Amino acid sequence: DAGVIQSPRHEVTEMGQEVTLRCKPISGHNSLFWYRQTMMRGLELLIYFNNNVPIDDSGMPEDRFSAKMPNASFSTLKIQPSEPRDSAVYFCASSLEFGISNQPQHFGDGTRLSIL
Amino acid sequence: QQQVKQSPQSLIVQKGGISIINCAYENTAFDYFPWYQQFPGKGPALLIAIRPDVSEKKEGRFTISFNKSAKQFSLHIMDSQPGDSATYFCAASKGNQKVTFGTGTKLQVIP
Repeated sequence: DAGVIQSPRHEVTEMGQEVTLRCKPISGHNSLFWYRQTMMRGLELLIYFNNNVPIDDSGMPEDRFSAKMPNASFSTLKIQPSEPRDSAVYFCASSLEFGISNQPQHFGDGTRLSIL
Repeated sequence: QQQVKQSPQSLIVQKGGISIINCAYENTAFDYFPWYQQFPGKGPALLIAIRPDVSEKKEGRFTISFNKSAKQFSLHIMDSQPGDSATYFCAASKGNQKVTFGTGTKLQVIP
């Protein structure tokens, strides 16, 4: 079975450029999460969606960051303009919301972003 | 505000030994406590999880011990193997709300 698919795996770009990260969740999952991982701050939740609707974006660091989920099988995280401090590994995860039961999050392999 | 505190930050264990990672939480509303394992270049993957109505859960060499009154839980890896070398994250959540992760423990198992 295909897991969460993220693209690109690596991105190197110059400061000020627009960066778009992409995610395809596991089919049938209706919750999607974007995380950022750095050595200094660990794993931070940026935003999550339920049934394509953003539920909590309190972790989005600045207005330079935006995320969309136009349909159940695709999401993007955009940074415009990018800055060197945005360099990190960005993970997308999905899960199946299941009433009061807890379902694990399934992570993609991440996008390693380097802003020069 | 860190709601899940994890220790130690790093751990070196000899092959065959027991690895122990500890976590403490603050929010008594949390009702789901998963542990994730992350290998270099990969995303975290669910290893084992527990609910607060049980004090222990074992899956193979991995055991979660849970102390509700102390608001603490720990991961024990028995007979640790070099292949267990990875970063381990404890986490907590309420229902299917956002998961709060600990800061991670980098485990190295040496032959």
